[in-house]
Amino acid sequence: DIQMTQSPSSLSASVGDRVTVTCRASQPISSFLNWYQQRPGMAPILLIYAASSLQSGVPSRFSGSGSGTDFTLTISSLQPEDFATYYCQQSYSTPYTFGQGTKLEI
Amino acid sequence: QVQLQESGPGLVKPSETLSLTCTVSGDPINRYYWIWIRQPPGRGLEWLGYISYTGTTNYNPSLKSRVTFSVDTSRNQFSLSLPSVTAADTAVYYCARMKWVGEESWFDPWGQGTLVTVSS
Repeated sequence: DIQMTQSPSSLSASVGDRVTVTCRASQPISSFLNWYQQRPGMAPILLIYAASSLQSGVPSRFSGSGSGTDFTLTISSLQPEDFATYYCQQSYSTPYTFGQGTKLEI
Repeated sequence: QVQLQESGPGLVKPSETLSLTCTVSGDPINRYYWIWIRQPPGRGLEWLGYISYTGTTNYNPSLKSRVTFSVDTSRNQFSLSLPSVTAADTAVYYCARMKWVGEESWFDPWGQGTLVTVSS
């Protein structure tokens, strides 16, 4: 199985900050990488697919980059509703696997 | 707009079978692949597998061949069956649509999730 490792596991930030979350795959996965946001008690929602494509309806302050083994999710200016847990997920090969999550806290 | 809704018992006894159904509205089920994911309380996400409208399946080997998916195109539903459950199967279970474009795929949208507790 491909292991996905996110860093940091948790992050404290303030409204207006620029934040970057990193995801590393245990082997090259090209651009087969997606990002999800999960607010407490809610289902995850898709933010970024294919490493850098913004899902329709997602604010443009979210962006993704990377290929191969190293990927980043950037939030350019944190808003109050962005405090949540973020997961990366590889779709290169089954079983599809997720990172352990990055909890973004105020 | 596509919506998914999980349904099934919230409490299952150890050694019994966990059965859940996902009802899809707003889109015919025979256009996409459909997945199940679970999340133990306070923990991360685990992909359980996918099923196509033709019944093609791909399961996570971590379930050790326990899980079975099925699809009912007439009802626009797909289902999960997990026998011989233990406390380790306690989780929120999500269904979601798996969208493919070329070789890329992603999960969107997701159902709201349903908590299944395994306990006597």
